[in-house]
Amino acid sequence: QVQLVQSGTDARKPGASVRVSCKASGYTFTSFAVSWVRQAPGQGLVWMGWISPYNGDTKYAQEFQGRVTLTTETPTTTVYMELSGLRSDDTAMYFCLRDNGGALDYWGQGTLVTVSS
Amino acid sequence: DIQMTQSPSTLSASVGDRVTITCRASESISIWLAWYQQKPGKAPNLIIYKASSLESGVPSRFSGSGSGTEFTLTISSLQPEDFATYYCQQYKSFPWTFGQGIKVEIK
Repeated sequence: QVQLVQSGTDARKPGASVRVSCKASGYTFTSFAVSWVRQAPGQGLVWMGWISPYNGDTKYAQEFQGRVTLTTETPTTTVYMELSGLRSDDTAMYFCLRDNGGALDYWGQGTLVTVSS
Repeated sequence: DIQMTQSPSTLSASVGDRVTITCRASESISIWLAWYQQKPGKAPNLIIYKASSLESGVPSRFSGSGSGTEFTLTISSLQPEDFATYYCQQYKSFPWTFGQGIKVEIK
């Protein structure tokens, strides 16, 4: 069965960077893109970016451009999301998900990133 | 960016009610629209894609319709497990964008 398993809760100080991993299994890794979405406490869903494990192409939301980097590691079927220049308003749950032509059909369990001094 | 607007912001309903949620796009997105259900503390689940296609395993009481700029999600007979927050999302063009979400609450 399709699974996306993310790394655990992380706490960082303002100005630091965080890297969240997302290990995919149960499907052909290079056949589907992976998107990342975040959700601040009590708020809605915000799409951050997209990566194609097939060729490494990326798309980023303007809001995160320059601060977010998505990478893939095909041998381990893992996708990484790195967010730099962390601020308190980056405190959120971060989800990776399988992007099936834009419909987000399988979601990771989420990784809580807390930014606080 | 394409803006997605959902209405109403909150919806109170009873078990057995027919519930309709609306999502409007700021420009035409054809049928490139998905609906998600999110329960507290959980990741969202895809329930409808391509505006009206039911995701595998989703009960048939859920249906979607619309094209262009106006879309609806209908739950034909609300069940206790359907009380949740519902989001629409367009995938006509990057960046993918979500509506603000509608919480379906127990009346």
